[in-house]
Amino acid sequence: DAMVIQNPRYQVTQFGKPVTLSCSQTLNHNVMYWYQQKSSQAPKLLFHYYDKDFNNEADTPDNFQSRRPNTSFCFLDIRSPGLGDAAMYLCATSSLDRGREETQYFGPGTRLLVL
Amino acid sequence: SQQGEEDPQALSIQEGENATMNCSYKTSINNLQWYRQNSGRGLVHLILIRSNEREKHSGRLRVTLDTSKKSSSLLITASRAADTASYFCATPVAGTYKYIFGTGTRLKVLA
Repeated sequence: DAMVIQNPRYQVTQFGKPVTLSCSQTLNHNVMYWYQQKSSQAPKLLFHYYDKDFNNEADTPDNFQSRRPNTSFCFLDIRSPGLGDAAMYLCATSSLDRGREETQYFGPGTRLLVL
Repeated sequence: SQQGEEDPQALSIQEGENATMNCSYKTSINNLQWYRQNSGRGLVHLILIRSNEREKHSGRLRVTLDTSKKSSSLLITASRAADTASYFCATPVAGTYKYIFGTGTRLKVLA
């Protein structure tokens, strides 16, 4: 089945130790998103790609970087995780081929714990 | 902030009752979407309503949209324990590929 896959599902890292979260999709969607979601809050957009065109949110900390080497894969790099970066990280995709009304398809998320 | 507001923040009902949650947004939109999120999981798309539609149904879900009031409601009829989840509305940001999510309603359905 076509889907959005995130690995790992749970990630434990140490304060200041770089960590990479991965997302892959079999939907062949041209847009990929990374969201941060803290407990009982709405997902907060960090950045998104339209194909290889990278779009950063103004309030996304420099500590967060992203790579999209091809259509299927997207990575979130946190260069020096702080305690405040502990959250659920959600990857999502959408296709704009049929206009701007396409829904987003979400992966199961990666829960990051910073010790 | 462009974030939409949802109310109530939390809702607890008995199985079989109806659940209504509301979403208000701030800018003009061409569609509004509702998503469900089970605890510790990703979001799942439920229904999309276009700006020229006033009401839409999907199974036990009924969504209304009032563009003059910039608000939408999601009604879940005959709720089940499996409907326990958080529900978010989302609206696209004009001229971008981005979406803004509402603050969410946490629904608990008691068996």
